[in-house]
Amino acid sequence: QLVLTQSPSASASLGASVKLTCTLSSGHSSYAIAWHQQQSEKGPRYLMKLNSDGSHTKGDGIPDRFSGSSSGAERYLTISSLQSEDEADYYCQTWVTGMVFGGGTKLTVL
Amino acid sequence: QVQLQESGPGLVKPSETLSLTCTVSGGSISGYYWSWIRQPPGKGLEWIGYIYYSGSTNYNPSLKSRVTMSLDTSMNQFSLRLSSVTAADTAVYYCARTPSYSYGSGNVIYYLYYMDVWGKGTTVTVSS
Repeated sequence: QLVLTQSPSASASLGASVKLTCTLSSGHSSYAIAWHQQQSEKGPRYLMKLNSDGSHTKGDGIPDRFSGSSSGAERYLTISSLQSEDEADYYCQTWVTGMVFGGGTKLTVL
Repeated sequence: QVQLQESGPGLVKPSETLSLTCTVSGGSISGYYWSWIRQPPGKGLEWIGYIYYSGSTNYNPSLKSRVTMSLDTSMNQFSLRLSSVTAADTAVYYCARTPSYSYGSGNVIYYLYYMDVWGKGTTVTVSS
């Protein structure tokens, strides 16, 4: 059974960078994922899809400050030059025989 | 650009059927999968299922016995019906466009279905 594990929370200062992690369960290190952002009281927004080799394709209008990378079973979302509007929940998601979501990471911008 | 809008009753009684519609504007329903996802208050995202523009469906096994999805290509709409609702079905319900992407190499091909356009969501409360 494929499980996506995310830290429940993260924080970083305005203008700094932060790297969020999504870990694929054992035996699933080849899987691609997608990252989604959900600002408070809003619907999710697609950020990018990310392959195991770190190649990624961002959604329309996603700033260059957002990037993805991979190492083994870990998939990363890096946000640089943090802005206040980046404070949000971030979800990773993949597909096996159905859609699988991680539990989400709540990012606080200090 | 493509926009999605959910609509339907905000309050449903226990044991009744929840019915929602998603209207697609700025693009065609053809050629894509279309998903329903929900989010209970204070919790994470749960995929309910998808319908392909041809009408084929794939449902979350945990909800499969209660879910029916349909679409109306002439109206550029697709719909969700969830029967026998309880308080546990109280959530924000989202519709989303769901492209598919194949990857891998050699003998192993994988597929990623992912949501690239989301609706704003509609809150459904199950209560008498």
